[in-house]
Amino acid sequence: GAVVSQHPSWVICKSGTSVKIECRSLDFQATTMFWYRQFPKQSLMLMATSNEGSKATYEQGVEKDKFLINHASLTLSTLTVTSAHPEDSSFYICSGGSYEQYFGPGTRLTVT
Amino acid sequence: DAKTTQPPSMDCAEGRAANLPCNHSTISGNEYVYWYRQIHSQGPQYIIHGLKNNETNEMASLIITEDRKSSTLILPHATLRDTAVYYCIVRVGAETSGSRLTFGEGTQLTVNP
Repeated sequence: GAVVSQHPSWVICKSGTSVKIECRSLDFQATTMFWYRQFPKQSLMLMATSNEGSKATYEQGVEKDKFLINHASLTLSTLTVTSAHPEDSSFYICSGGSYEQYFGPGTRLTVT
Repeated sequence: DAKTTQPPSMDCAEGRAANLPCNHSTISGNEYVYWYRQIHSQGPQYIIHGLKNNETNEMASLIITEDRKSSTLILPHATLRDTAVYYCIVRVGAETSGSRLTFGEGTQLTVNP
């Protein structure tokens, strides 16, 4: 199957700082990618849809000014968590593809 | 997208078949049934999908009832590495990019030695 990478795989940051997470499709082009968040012992929750060359669309309850998404090329989408707080600590996962969505390995964010 | 119902947990002996059920009684005619699994602390992995007919690939088989209101994922010879949370998802737009996935709670399958 196709490969999606994420960087970093884990990150620890201090409260109030910003963190950027990269999601790359390594062997396919993705006009659309998705960002999910997963808290411990919970299922994945869709945060936003990232569209190449246009604005992302956010799910209800997700602050677009806090979770900045940029999809500048067909192989790269980035999620920036701005002014991170401890409650933003979570497992962030991206995906892309067509009828088979391929998921990245996830990024573990810990905000202290 | 139609809502799915899965048992929260199941156990299976290593080497035996694991049969994971999923109910999707409100599925629409243009919605496909997808199965993904998530091994602890990893991204989900695609397993299989189908519309009406039963499907088989190198990982699993998917059996969809004639009325399409339920399906069963079959892992023919479960191994310890198959221990994971299995998600049954129904969605439209199988052949188009950008079709979102809505994850339910899934079934925690534990394969025992």
